[in-house]
Amino acid sequence: DAKTTQPNSMESNEEEPVHLPCNHSTISGTDYIHWYRQLPSQGPEYVIHGLTSNVNNRMASLAIAEDRKSSTLILHRATLRDAAVYYCIRKTSGSRLTFGEGTQLTVNP
Amino acid sequence: ETGVTQSPTHLIKTRGQQVTLRCSSQSGHNTVSWYQQALGQGPQFIFQYYREEENGRGNFPPRFSGLQFPNYSSELNVNALELDDSALYLCASSPQRAGGYNEQFFGPGTRLTVL
Repeated sequence: DAKTTQPNSMESNEEEPVHLPCNHSTISGTDYIHWYRQLPSQGPEYVIHGLTSNVNNRMASLAIAEDRKSSTLILHRATLRDAAVYYCIRKTSGSRLTFGEGTQLTVNP
Repeated sequence: ETGVTQSPTHLIKTRGQQVTLRCSSQSGHNTVSWYQQALGQGPQFIFQYYREEENGRGNFPPRFSGLQFPNYSSELNVNALELDDSALYLCASSPQRAGGYNEQFFGPGTRLTVL
């Protein structure tokens, strides 16, 4: 089963950091960890991905546990625009993204 | 650079009818994937096309079929529509044969309602 485990919902305050956890305890050595988010009434949007090392880009940081069984997406300063459903995905070299139900992030002003 | 576009935006059909949804991939992308997203759930993979050939299929019946054209645009066809086919249909393109490291770029989706 390629699905991951995420909390159904999380809440944050504007301009504070947000840590979104993901459990992927059965991940194989070649699976990448991808994060996508879906804003209301839009298609999913790529956020970040990684394999073993921590990764940073302009949107977020991805911290991957040493055993690769879990990871955390970090939004350094949440804005109202970051309110979305965040999906953590194990991705093999095959064709598909296997989405779970994701974490609904609410950002309070 | 034009992103992924889909048409139509919304569509209403009745049970038993057939529907065709269209997707234009992002410039330079030769791989297109289709997903179905029911209300309140994550997208579910239908199939993928790479250079006009089907390259992977999810757990969907044969009445879901697709095409990819030489310009890499794509169609999703659904025959004998059922009420449960009501969903948001998403198209995603990627720049090469999808590897674990390649992100997919999604269109805004087509909202299909089956009455």
